[in-house]
Amino acid sequence: GDSVTQMEGPVTLSEEAFLTINCTYTATGYPSLFWYVQYPGEGLQLLLKATKADDKGSNKGFEATYRKETTSFHLEKGSVQVSDSAVYFCALSERSSASKIIFGSGTRLSIRP
Amino acid sequence: DTGVSQNPRHKITKRGQNVTFRCDPISEHNRLYWYRQTLGQGPEFLTYFQNEAQLEKSRLLSDRFSAERPKGSFSTLEIQRTEQGDSAMYLCASRGTVQETQYFGPGTRLLVL
Repeated sequence: GDSVTQMEGPVTLSEEAFLTINCTYTATGYPSLFWYVQYPGEGLQLLLKATKADDKGSNKGFEATYRKETTSFHLEKGSVQVSDSAVYFCALSERSSASKIIFGSGTRLSIRP
Repeated sequence: DTGVSQNPRHKITKRGQNVTFRCDPISEHNRLYWYRQTLGQGPEFLTYFQNEAQLEKSRLLSDRFSAERPKGSFSTLEIQRTEQGDSAMYLCASRGTVQETQYFGPGTRLLVL
């Protein structure tokens, strides 16, 4: 079945460092890809998405590019802030009537001032 | 703007008791999803409604679990004869027909003693 594998955490970086969180997927069809974020004490929020190959999703300085040839959707940010500390989930959704989301296991990110 | 709401936010129960959770989706959204998230893992799909029809159920949804959406608006998830393994965060999400983004509620955290 479909699945998402993402970089295990926790990841600890200093403020203004460059961030990469790796994500690869397995899918039978042609899914949409997402990054969700869960800040401490809050619910899941959509961070960015991409719906077709070579699309780049971006939001709040984060970017991820849909790479069909490598089945990857790595999350990057050029300069992280303390407020970026959260758990990040890579996810996919098949183009079916249900369009359920399949999540990775999450990567906890901590940013040191 | 009212997002997805869930009640209660926390529930502590004894093994063997029944519990019921409620989800109120965003008002114009006809699709509603339930997910379960255990500690350190990503959310896992449980079931999906389109309007009042339950169209898909995960194998995770044992016969002790039942979900309803009687009028195509709010939904309830009932767990009968709870077990300690049912302890988790139960998340509800909704989306509209065209836009594929799912919006998540804050979740109901269940602890079975």
